[in-house]
Amino acid sequence: DSGVTQTPKHLITATGQRVTLRCSPRSGDLSVYWYQQSLDQGLQFLIQYYNGEERAKGNILERFSAQQFPDLHSELNLSSLELGDSALYFCASSPSGVDTQYFGPGTRLTVL
Amino acid sequence: GQSLEQPSEVTAVEGAIVQINCTYQTSGFYGLSWYQQHDGGAPTFLSYNALDGLEETGRFSSFLSRSDSYGYLLLQELQMKDSASYFCAVIEGGGGNKLTFGTGTQLKVEL
Repeated sequence: DSGVTQTPKHLITATGQRVTLRCSPRSGDLSVYWYQQSLDQGLQFLIQYYNGEERAKGNILERFSAQQFPDLHSELNLSSLELGDSALYFCASSPSGVDTQYFGPGTRLTVL
Repeated sequence: GQSLEQPSEVTAVEGAIVQINCTYQTSGFYGLSWYQQHDGGAPTFLSYNALDGLEETGRFSSFLSRSDSYGYLLLQELQMKDSASYFCAVIEGGGGNKLTFGTGTQLKVEL
């Protein structure tokens, strides 16, 4: 158990819908990272937050957005969902730099 | 941009030693990390190299050569539970804090 929690574990929804994925980092970790893992794309970095502020952006679509709250939990919002958004979404946290990250169990999103 | 190459599959027998190579191209290299991921599970951090040389952690070791843009993960005394995917990941330094993952190497350990 990494100490990072993610909810929900599974999510099934329809195209065009909007969903919110939630992540609570390990106690004391200020950085939160979001990743998407699909079969044909591997692990793709989406976005990083540090102590409430956006720090780095990767291949995140405009339909996706995220934020980190004062209690350090983070939410990833996915809107106008498409079939291709079906994937595992991981959240990770780190105590310092990006070199050591602790991943949550992931949320499996299925878009029908 | 960045690109990383690692073999897609490696098979080895229990008790053996296996080396998983990773070559990378990046404009702002800071370090190389390795992660293990079992089917359906979360990636787990294994090791990190920022400087040239070998880092040893139990049965796992990781090596980096910055001049060759190359690294490897060495797994010794292989066990069945080591069957998993192994990812190398490049850290982009400077103002960025992005971790770019390779496509992963599926390691199969056989009896």
